[in-house]
Amino acid sequence: EAQLLESGGGLVQPGGSLRLSCSASGFTFSNYPMGWVRQAPGKGLEWVSAITADGSSTNYADSVRGRFTISRDNFRNTLFLQMNSLRAEDTAVYYCAKDNPPPGYASSWQFDCWGQGTLVTVSS
Amino acid sequence: EIVLTQSPATLSLSPGERATLSCRASQSVRGYLAWYQQKPGQAPRLLIYDSSNRATGIPARFSGSGSGTDFTLTISSLDPDDFAIYYCQQRSSWPLTFGGGTEVEIK
Repeated sequence: EAQLLESGGGLVQPGGSLRLSCSASGFTFSNYPMGWVRQAPGKGLEWVSAITADGSSTNYADSVRGRFTISRDNFRNTLFLQMNSLRAEDTAVYYCAKDNPPPGYASSWQFDCWGQGTLVTVSS
Repeated sequence: EIVLTQSPATLSLSPGERATLSCRASQSVRGYLAWYQQKPGQAPRLLIYDSSNRATGIPARFSGSGSGTDFTLTISSLDPDDFAIYYCQQRSSWPLTFGGGTEVEIK
């Protein structure tokens, strides 16, 4: 059974940095594109970033481009999100999520497995 | 950016009733639309991908339809476990976007 476990969240001051990690198990991590999705308190889902299975291609929401960096270590089965220049509006639960590509396709960008989330709070 | 508008915002129904949720895209997303269910304090769960394909383990009472700009998620007979918030998501173009959600609440 595929499982994802996020860590690294916490309280940080505006302008600060955090690095989130997502440890994967139960599936061949290196075969699957991955993504980060966040949810501000009491709000809906917002896609943040995505990365291909081999890490060669990444995409970002406009709201985080230039401040956040997604990466992965396929030897350690771990996904990362480096978050710099944090703002109050980045406060949210951050979920990592596994892509669900149909047979024969490299990606579908529809997420069939999610972690439990890690809370990031940006406040002075 | 493709904007997804879900309606209604809240749907008040009783167990056993049929639920019909709508997701409208600001431009065509072809058939590249997914539906998720989220319960309080839990991560989202994929229900439907590419408009009409049920994800692994999803009961047959959940079905999706539509293409282009208009999509529907139907729950044929509401189970008590189905009261939750439902989100649509498009993957037709970057950035990926989610709708604002429809809450299905017990009447």
